[in-house]
Amino acid sequence: DAKTTQPTSMDCAEGRAANLPCNHSTISGNEYVYWYRQIHSQGPQYIIHGLKNNETNEMASLIITEDRKSSTLILPHATLRDTAVYYCSHYGGSQGNLIFGKGTKLSVKP
Amino acid sequence: GAVVSQHPSWVICKSGTSVKIECRSLDFQATTMFWYRQFPKQSLMLMATSNEGSKATYEQGVEKDKFLINHASLTLSTLTVTSAHPEDSSFYICSAAEIKPQETQYFGPGTRLLVL
Repeated sequence: DAKTTQPTSMDCAEGRAANLPCNHSTISGNEYVYWYRQIHSQGPQYIIHGLKNNETNEMASLIITEDRKSSTLILPHATLRDTAVYYCSHYGGSQGNLIFGKGTKLSVKP
Repeated sequence: GAVVSQHPSWVICKSGTSVKIECRSLDFQATTMFWYRQFPKQSLMLMATSNEGSKATYEQGVEKDKFLINHASLTLSTLTVTSAHPEDSSFYICSAAEIKPQETQYFGPGTRLLVL
């Protein structure tokens, strides 16, 4: 079965970079890696996605290993508002849907 | 980015009543919408996939007669929880994908249902 594996929780000091790893060893060759985050009691928010190359947008950077079995989401200067549960995902579900693991709870502290 | 809305944002109802939740893609056409359920401190659990103009595909263990899904247009899908019971209390979230399912999915803000 397709699945993703992430650390349960991480702490990060405000202003420092937050590096969130994800293992997605079951990903297929043409599936993108997606990252979302969910702030308490809200719907998941799209952050970034990528296939093979590293990607960067206004929110974050995404580093994908050459074998594509893992990736790292980087928040370059974490703020208190970045405190959330971060999910990595890919389209590995039975209905062609995104699969979600338990995510990483990132706590950004002053 | 693309915007998905849900209505209502929260609802309280009595046991035995039915509740309808709407999911709309506001600035794009969504051929596929997904419905998730999330219990406290747990991850998102896919309930069903909704394709415009066709019957929804339900995940194993999700009762299709209890959770009625209608995707009548490219911008609207509805989830009706029929004869709701307290165990149906949860956070229901929809997502929509533009054109093809493998495109980026955008999620709605969620609907919190409390059944008394």
